[in-house]
Amino acid sequence: DQQVKQNSPSLSVQEGRISILNCDYTNSMFDYFLWYKKYPAEGPTFLISISSIKDKNEDGRFTVFLNKSAKHLSLHIVPSQPGDSAVYFCAASGNSGGGADGLTFGKGTHLIIQP
Amino acid sequence: KAGVTQTPRYLIKTRGQQVTLSCSPISGHRSVSWYQQTPGQGLQFLFEYFSETQRNKGNFPGRFSGRQFSNSRSEMNVSTLELGDSALYLCASSMSPGYNEKLFFGSGTQLSVL
Repeated sequence: DQQVKQNSPSLSVQEGRISILNCDYTNSMFDYFLWYKKYPAEGPTFLISISSIKDKNEDGRFTVFLNKSAKHLSLHIVPSQPGDSAVYFCAASGNSGGGADGLTFGKGTHLIIQP
Repeated sequence: KAGVTQTPRYLIKTRGQQVTLSCSPISGHRSVSWYQQTPGQGLQFLFEYFSETQRNKGNFPGRFSGRQFSNSRSEMNVSTLELGDSALYLCASSMSPGYNEKLFFGSGTQLSVL
């Protein structure tokens, strides 16, 4: 059973426009969420995170929104640039009482920025 | 500061063999985690080590094991390889364990089992 879902395997956006990547989760114990970006032949790199006590976190062109009641988060990239073309992974974690259980990742969304 | 280093970069093995992968964390980082990435399953948590002790383990069979040394370097071992073990194995390090610690990933070891 997938606890973190990224329902769009790929997304194509024109350069300069807004990219919106979505992520849904099912485990109500998750209380910390992260986005990672991955280029081919490289490991994922941390992009931005958000704690469940917030509903928005912003870092430059990147903003993450969290809707706890809907168990949904989204990553907005404005404006989109060619270098943003990569696979984006949503990840979640939560202290289930027995210590950290590692990050639970979605399967990723391949973002393609078109010139 | 050097990043997370994983060796080897690529590995080809046959079914039934065993394999050992190595990970050197960022200097000063004491927590190391391992993840398996496959096209069908995405990234899945294998285990996490801190101070030479396994803190957590994901839902993988006992053929998958690991260890951490006193210098925080880590190795993972897969015995009796199966075709389904073909994947990218990623190591990540962080300053300390914790569910909200930012992870720094290496480039991974691409394992192909024939």
